Amino acid sequence: DQQVKQNSPSLSVQEGRISILNCDYTNSMFDYFLWYKKYPAEGPTFLISISSIKDKNEDGRFTVFLNKSAKHLSLHIVPSQPGDSAVYFCAARGGADGLTFGKGTHLIIQP
Amino acid sequence: GAVVSQHPSWVICKSGTSVKIECRSLDFQATTMFWYRQFPKQSLMLMATSNEGSKATYEQGVEKDKFLINHASLTLSTLTVTSAHPEDSSFYICSASSGTQLGLFFGSGTQLSVL
Repeated sequence: DQQVKQNSPSLSVQEGRISILNCDYTNSMFDYFLWYKKYPAEGPTFLISISSIKDKNEDGRFTVFLNKSAKHLSLHIVPSQPGDSAVYFCAARGGADGLTFGKGTHLIIQP
Repeated sequence: GAVVSQHPSWVICKSGTSVKIECRSLDFQATTMFWYRQFPKQSLMLMATSNEGSKATYEQGVEKDKFLINHASLTLSTLTVTSAHPEDSSFYICSASSGTQLGLFFGSGTQLSVL
């Protein structure tokens, strides 16, 4: 049973527009959520995180929103740039365990 | 930011041989290290958690006798895939935590291909 779900395998966005990547989770014990960016054959790179006690965290072009009641979080990238093209993983943490990842969304930024 | 070095970045081996992957935290002491594997178009799946000086905790379905993890120091953890078979071919990634930012620092990964 997948506890972290990213239902969109891919997303295509025009350069300069907003990219919105979505993530749903089922485990109410998760208390910390992270977004990672990953290029092929490389390890993930941390982007931004949010604690379950917050509903928004912003860092430059990246903003993460958390809706606890809906068990939903989203990553907004604005404006989208060509270098943002990558696979984005949503991850969640519960207690001292390792991270649980979604399957990823391949973001393609079109010129 | 913190750096985690993982070696080798890729390895090809014959079926039945063993392969060791190293994960080093270069500028901090990693009290906990995690090992993940990723199959093509799949998510990163946690395999095991290791704390320095103690036995690793394996996730359900991961064979501890096949995937040997050693975390003998605060800067080094190793994953040994014993008697590798083609189905073990995967992308293996480690992450290291100092305890303050859990799992935030990843190695660059190791692509294992077993012939």
